[in-house]
Amino acid sequence: DQQVKQNSPSLSVQEGRISILNCDYTNSMFDYFLWYKKYPAEGPTFLISISSIKDKNEDGRFTVFLNKSAKHLSLHIVPSQPGDSAVYFCAASALFGGGTSYGKLTFGQGTILTVHP
Amino acid sequence: NAGVTQTPKFQVLKTGQSMTLQCAQDMNHEYMSWYRQDPGMGLRLIHYSVGAGITDQGEVPNGYNVSRSTTEDFPLRLLSAAPSQTSVYFCASSYGFSTWRGAYEQYFGPGTRLTVT
Repeated sequence: DQQVKQNSPSLSVQEGRISILNCDYTNSMFDYFLWYKKYPAEGPTFLISISSIKDKNEDGRFTVFLNKSAKHLSLHIVPSQPGDSAVYFCAASALFGGGTSYGKLTFGQGTILTVHP
Repeated sequence: NAGVTQTPKFQVLKTGQSMTLQCAQDMNHEYMSWYRQDPGMGLRLIHYSVGAGITDQGEVPNGYNVSRSTTEDFPLRLLSAAPSQTSVYFCASSYGFSTWRGAYEQYFGPGTRLTVT
């Protein structure tokens, strides 16, 4: 049972336009969400995160939105650049799960973003 | 800092063989974990450790063993390789308990691509 889903395997965007990557989750215990970016032949790198007490978090060109009632989060990249072309993973965790659930991340399947010049 | 290092980068095994994937970090991180990445599945947690001497199972632990005798090293052992273990393996580390966000903003190694024939 996939608790974190990224339903779009790929997204193609023109340079300078907005990229919107989506993620849905089913576990209502999840209260901390992250986005990771991965280039080919490299490990994922942390991009941005949001806790469930917020509905928006910005870092430069990257903004993450959280809609708790819909169990949905999205990553907006504005403006998109060719260097943003990568696989983007959404991840979730029960921050206050305590005990053995501390630090465990559940990842989505990933979305391949291609930004065309 | 070298960050998180993994060896080997590539490995081919025959069914039934055993081997150890090495992972080391030089950031004095408390938390370390192993993930496997398979097409369409995202990253799935195999085992993790919240500190030296403490390990626990993740989502897909069967067929793998870990130990954490030092803060720096977290090797993953395949006991008897099977074709289903063909995957890309990532080791990750984070600050863990020193900050409530620490366990989640994980630093990943470059990965080991394993093929079992």
